[in-house]
Amino acid sequence: GNSVTQMEGPVTLSEEAFLTINCTYTATGYPSLFWYVQYPGEGLQLLLKATKADDKGSNKGFEATYRKETTSFHLEKGSVQVSDSAVYFCALKAAGNKLTFGGGTRVLVKP
Amino acid sequence: EPEVTQTPSHQVTQMGQEVILRCVPISNHLYFYWYRQILGQKVEFLVSFYNNEISEKSEIFDDQFSVERPDGSNFTLKIRSTKLEDSAMYFCASSETGPSTEAFFGQGTRLTVV
Repeated sequence: GNSVTQMEGPVTLSEEAFLTINCTYTATGYPSLFWYVQYPGEGLQLLLKATKADDKGSNKGFEATYRKETTSFHLEKGSVQVSDSAVYFCALKAAGNKLTFGGGTRVLVKP
Repeated sequence: EPEVTQTPSHQVTQMGQEVILRCVPISNHLYFYWYRQILGQKVEFLVSFYNNEISEKSEIFDDQFSVERPDGSNFTLKIRSTKLEDSAMYFCASSETGPSTEAFFGQGTRLTVV
């Protein structure tokens, strides 16, 4: 079946540091890939997406590139802020419409 | 900006009781979903709903669960006889169309079964 594996957290960083959260997937066919973010006490918000190989999704300074050869969709941000502290979920959508989520990575950015 | 709304935000119920979680999806969306997140665990798919019927469900979605779209706007999840292990955050989501379109999530309902 489909699955998503992402690095376990928590990831603790200082403000302005570089952030990478690794995500790899297993899926049949050609899935769409997503990163969702969950801020403390809130629901899931779509951060970015990519629907085909080599697409780059970007939003709010975050980027992720759909790498079919390595089945990866790593999330990066060049300079994090305290407000980026959240849980980040990598997810895929393959045949059908359900999302399959990774376990989530908690990120804590300290001033 | 249109959003998915869920009520209540927090529900406490006694084991064995029935609960109904309510959701108002985005108005022009055609696909509706329920997911749950047990504390500290990953978000899990429960069920998807399209054209007034279930299109897919997970093994979690057993006979204790049911979904309904009773009118043109609400989408509900009913748990017939709650168990302690049903305690979780339940998220409703909706999307316009197929696999490449994003799902918009509500804020969630935290269900606590005591």
